[in-house]
Amino acid sequence: NAGVTQTPKFRVLKTGQSMTLLCAQDMNHEYMYWYRQDPGMGLRLIHYSVGEGTTAKGEVPDGYNVSRLKKQNFLLGLESAAPSQTSVYFCASSRIGKSEAFFGQGTRLTVV
Amino acid sequence: AQRVTQPEKLLSVFKGAPVELKCNYSYSGSPELFWYVQYSRQRLQLLLRHISRESIKGFTADLNKGETSFHLKKPFAQEEDSAMYYCALSSITGTASKLTFGTGTRLQVTL
Repeated sequence: NAGVTQTPKFRVLKTGQSMTLLCAQDMNHEYMYWYRQDPGMGLRLIHYSVGEGTTAKGEVPDGYNVSRLKKQNFLLGLESAAPSQTSVYFCASSRIGKSEAFFGQGTRLTVV
Repeated sequence: AQRVTQPEKLLSVFKGAPVELKCNYSYSGSPELFWYVQYSRQRLQLLLRHISRESIKGFTADLNKGETSFHLKKPFAQEEDSAMYYCALSSITGTASKLTFGTGTRLQVTL
């Protein structure tokens, strides 16, 4: 059982480049989330999805877009990367309602 | 809006000493609170949830609604407890449920 898998694990981008981070879960969870983790700021919610075809903004959505075309996948896109987006990105999933979230291993992104 | 506050960025204790990681929250509804742990170079994983009222790896946490706190405690710290600890609150907004995290506390257990 793989749980939540993120691709890629590491990436270095130049300012202005675009990229997509992929999150895949095999637990049939309805909810999926993208967080960024920065020193001293904890985890901040970027976007989330409560089901296939639906997405919503979190706390820090600017500069990011997401899509949930399939229930098991949640994509995070950066259209024009900026150095401020250098961070560790975590994807998570959970069942409907107030339940435990399962996290991916993280993607370390550096924008130079 | 919900908020989770962890006032300490770093807590350093000696092996065998008691540990208390503080967490305070603000939420107008009925909260569901969690503690997550992140060991070095690993993913976040659930440590405790308040509704289960169980002890995991010797850690316990009690929800105090009067003080709006959910502090994490362990009577005797072990070296393997060194990690980053996050307090989180699950809230319902409309039909959506989402987790709000605190800024985290790094626990360092030394010999």
